[in-house]
Amino acid sequence: DIVMTQSPDSLAVSLGERATVNCKSSQSVLYSSNNKNHLAWYQQKPRQPPKLLIYWASTRAPGVPDRFSGSGSGTDFTLTISSLQAEDVAVYYCQNYYDSPSTFGPGTKVDIK
Amino acid sequence: EVQLVESGGGLVKPGGSLRLSCAASGFTFGSYGMNWVRQTPGKGLEWVSSISGTSTYIYYADSVKGRFTISRDNAANSLYLHMSSLRAEDTAVYYCARTAAYCNSNRCRLFDYWGQGTLVTVSS
Repeated sequence: DIVMTQSPDSLAVSLGERATVNCKSSQSVLYSSNNKNHLAWYQQKPRQPPKLLIYWASTRAPGVPDRFSGSGSGTDFTLTISSLQAEDVAVYYCQNYYDSPSTFGPGTKVDIK
Repeated sequence: EVQLVESGGGLVKPGGSLRLSCAASGFTFGSYGMNWVRQTPGKGLEWVSSISGTSTYIYYADSVKGRFTISRDNAANSLYLHMSSLRAEDTAVYYCARTAAYCNSNRCRLFDYWGQGTLVTVSS
């Protein structure tokens, strides 16, 4: 199974500042047949289910604000919130959807400083 | 508007059984693969099982293989998870989730809509 790790475990950022979350997979999630990274990011707010933010490592899901961006390839990925808003307080998870089984990272909690 | 509503969770003794249901609306149910994903404070998010739109392809996590059965009724817009031989480690919030159309593979586990979840507690 592909193991997903995230760093940091938590971070606190001032409103309007940049927040960066890292994700690393134990094996590449770049699928050669379509040359795409099968890496997704989800946001989970308290008492809510996860919400899809980013897929193919860098494509925003419909309705996701453009302050959210994803980057990286192979085994190393980053989720960036360019200007943190109060409503962005949440836990963020990366997910490998290439391998079977699909696996999630442990999550990174983002809070306001 | 896409809606997924789970039901059927509750308290069950170890070794017992439970059936979860997920009622779907707002989309052509039979055209999408569907999934169960569970979440615990200790183990985080864990994919449990997937079923293709026509039930042709079914997959399970090793942790539940042989104990859980996924099924669907496209006429009733419903997804099910029959859980048997339940263990304490199956205690979790169980989410129903739709497979995103962005993928073109039955092995894709990208989830674009999730239900609110139903809590399953396995305890004596």
